[in-house]
Amino acid sequence: DAKTTQPTSMDCAEGRAANLPCNHSTISGNEYVYWYRQIHSQGPQYIIHGLKNNETNEMASLIITEDRKSSTLILPHATLRDTAVYYCIVRVNAGKSTFGDGTTLTVKP
Amino acid sequence: DAGVIQSPRHEVTEMGQEVTLRCKPISGHDYLFWYRQTMMRGLELLIYFNNNVPIDDSGMPEDRFSAKMPNASFSTLKIQPSEPRDSAVYFCASSLGQGRGEETQYFGPGTRLLVL
Repeated sequence: DAKTTQPTSMDCAEGRAANLPCNHSTISGNEYVYWYRQIHSQGPQYIIHGLKNNETNEMASLIITEDRKSSTLILPHATLRDTAVYYCIVRVNAGKSTFGDGTTLTVKP
Repeated sequence: DAGVIQSPRHEVTEMGQEVTLRCKPISGHDYLFWYRQTMMRGLELLIYFNNNVPIDDSGMPEDRFSAKMPNASFSTLKIQPSEPRDSAVYFCASSLGQGRGEETQYFGPGTRLLVL
């Protein structure tokens, strides 16, 4: 699985869009980009995934660059409940994958 | 579906005792994963199963740890004997399959283990 690089922490004002970047320059052609988040003391929660095209669901949008070497998770209207650690993962197999340290997003009132 | 179910949610035990953690995956999911999370090491994959068969246990820290999956709806992670450094949150997760984006893992609420 490709290695990912994320900023350690980010702040966002409540009600504003939160844009979380992820670099995955060694991604292979058949590897998907997955995003999870972990709210304090809870299990990681799946947010969204994509291969090439931009994706949107009820939680977030995923923007993947044309060369697929980076992506951005967008929370369109961040709330205090979105404060969490966000993990970006790339994988092709259902098996081993590394969650890394993720980005700690703090949404401030 | 109720999601991934783990029990117990909290466990406090004394060093040297046997600890058994339990997991019920989401029905129909072919993959089951056991993770351990600590402040120092983050989220680590211990072992995963495909169709009840252990595929990769290279993350299991030592022989004191063992995991089984006797059927598609139940798995256990056992620590015997337990040590204080085993204190962590243990998560179980399951996924539908692999390929074409089916690797989405759904996590349980975790078991918080404290070994005194």
